[in-house]
Amino acid sequence: EAGVAQSPRYKIIEKRQSVAFWCNPISGHATLYWYQQILGQGPKLLIQFQNNGVVDDSQLPKDRFSAERLKGVDSTLKIQPAKLEDSAVYLCASSGERGRIVDTQYFGPGTRLTVL
Amino acid sequence: LAKTTQPISMDSYEGQEVNITCSHNNIATNDYITWYQQFPSQGPRFIIQGYKTKVTNEVASLFIPADRKSSTLSLPRVSLSDTAVYYCLVGLMNTGFQKLVFGTGTRLLVSP
Repeated sequence: EAGVAQSPRYKIIEKRQSVAFWCNPISGHATLYWYQQILGQGPKLLIQFQNNGVVDDSQLPKDRFSAERLKGVDSTLKIQPAKLEDSAVYLCASSGERGRIVDTQYFGPGTRLTVL
Repeated sequence: LAKTTQPISMDSYEGQEVNITCSHNNIATNDYITWYQQFPSQGPRFIIQGYKTKVTNEVASLFIPADRKSSTLSLPRVSLSDTAVYYCLVGLMNTGFQKLVFGTGTRLLVSP
């Protein structure tokens, strides 16, 4: 079974530029998550989708971050414009069980973003 | 803001048992506790999940007291390859809403 795919693996941009990350979850998984993991910290949930609807985006900085999940499968996370403090690893995860807030999540390898 | 806390780091030797505790005072009543392992430059990997009492699988055990305000991951007979960061993940109640919150992470170093 293929795992969660993410691209790119690494990205270096200058502040105020835009960047987009892509995630392809495990086939059949209804729930998709985007996390931000700053070096030395645990992952922080940015947004959670159930199919193509948003379950929780309370920690997404909506003035600069946006995410979409078209057709309930792939998802993109965008930052526009980027700030220095956005330097982090962006993790995508998916899970297949409904009805529980803490599902077994399967994570992709992450995208390491460096903002100069 | 509700949060989960873990010891920052732990040291062990090969063959020993390691117990890592996570405190989560505001855990949601209907949610599970999950533990993940993370190696450098990789995403977290699922280890074990439970709701109450004790759960055991082929790699670890999870102990959860009756009040569910904490949980303990037990790794029997660790090896060098168990050197990693370990996180708990719980659903916490925060101002009336449930939120997914990762713990602060425990860096485990296993020495020969």
